[in-house]
Amino acid sequence: DAKTTQPTSMDCAEGRAANLPCNHSTISGNEYVYWYRQIHSQGPQYIIHGLKNNETNEMASLIITEDRKSSTLILPHATLRDTAVYYCIVRVGGGNSGGSNYKLTFGKGTLLTVNP
Amino acid sequence: GAVVSQHPSWVICKSGTSVKIECRSLDFQATTMFWYRQFPKQSLMLMATSNEGSKATYEQGVEKDKFLINHASLTLSTLTVTSAHPEDSSFYICSARDGRLYEQYFGPGTRLTVT
Repeated sequence: DAKTTQPTSMDCAEGRAANLPCNHSTISGNEYVYWYRQIHSQGPQYIIHGLKNNETNEMASLIITEDRKSSTLILPHATLRDTAVYYCIVRVGGGNSGGSNYKLTFGKGTLLTVNP
Repeated sequence: GAVVSQHPSWVICKSGTSVKIECRSLDFQATTMFWYRQFPKQSLMLMATSNEGSKATYEQGVEKDKFLINHASLTLSTLTVTSAHPEDSSFYICSARDGRLYEQYFGPGTRLTVT
């Protein structure tokens, strides 16, 4: 299973873009990169995922390097409510696209603190 | 969007008693459900994976006789902590995977305190 490495913590000013890096140098060709976040005392919230191409949704953008060994989650205009622990996860398990038996294994994540 | 609920949101019980936590997928069918445990200032640790109608698969180091998991339907899984001890106090989070889309959604968590 590919492991991920993230900084322990980061700070960001409110209204600015938050760029959260993640290294996953042992990622396999059919493994996806997922991002979740967990606000204090709540369950994790799905943010975005991708395989090779950059992805964007209403919450964030995901930039994956061409060699797929690292990625960056971008929150374009961070707000105080974005303060949370952000987890970068590489999905494990067999199967093809999607994978029918994968499970999400959480690392320590990055505590993002958005300051006023 | 897909919603996963947990009940209760918090529970306090005495040492030696059993506690049941329910996890429901409200608007989709969950062929697989996952149970996680999270201690303060730590990450989520996967405890077990359950598929509807079959026995759960437990992660290494998790006692299956202590943490009973039942996944009786496509929308309900239960975790029973038997003979609870103070060291079982933790934040228990369930997750359900949509059987069609293979995406995984998390419940809000249940805070268990054993006194």
